[in-house]
Amino acid sequence: GENVEQHPSTLSVQEGDSAVIKCTYSDSASNYFPWYKQELGKRPQLIIDIRSNVGEKKDQRIAVTLNKTAKHFSLHITETQPEDSAVYFCAASMAAGNKLTFGGGTRVLVKP
Amino acid sequence: DGGITQSPKYLFRKEGQNVTLSCEQNLNHDAMYWYRQDPGQGLRLIYYSQIVNDFQKGDIAEGYSVSREKKESFPLTVTSAQKNPTAFYLCASSIGGAGNHEQYFGPGTRLTVT
Repeated sequence: GENVEQHPSTLSVQEGDSAVIKCTYSDSASNYFPWYKQELGKRPQLIIDIRSNVGEKKDQRIAVTLNKTAKHFSLHITETQPEDSAVYFCAASMAAGNKLTFGGGTRVLVKP
Repeated sequence: DGGITQSPKYLFRKEGQNVTLSCEQNLNHDAMYWYRQDPGQGLRLIYYSQIVNDFQKGDIAEGYSVSREKKESFPLTVTSAQKNPTAFYLCASSIGGAGNHEQYFGPGTRLTVT
């Protein structure tokens, strides 16, 4: 089955700096890659996703890039703010069944 | 936050007892999922259901059972066969059908078994 690895497990950045989280996946049939944000004590929420037919997607301060050949994808957060502090999860899925395999998560701390 | 609810928020049980976690959604979603969240391990899929009266095992189904008798409900039973049941359990739903769609999560149930 699919295996998703996520790095780093923790990330501390200064407010205003950029944060980058990287994920690799094992199954070349995966074609959907969402990112979820989980604030302390809250439920995970989708922040951005990318499908295998595009290489990059942006939404304001966040962007995701996908390299299908290398089987890795990354989340980029620019101009970080304290409210970006949370745990971020990447995931991968094939089309059938919408079954997501999650990475282990990255705890991001934005220091004011 | 509404749309998908889980109850209770905290649950305590003695070892050897079965316990059922509730998950209800009013989003008219066809697909529903159960995940287990442990520190540092992300979310792992226990069971999922793409349509009423049908469900499939996820990656860690041993010691768990589910039913999907109604579209809006997908209860999870943690049986005494689950060797390490203490965890945070998250339910999710999506519109289902072909392709991939956003999964919406419930607030979770924290189960402690002693």
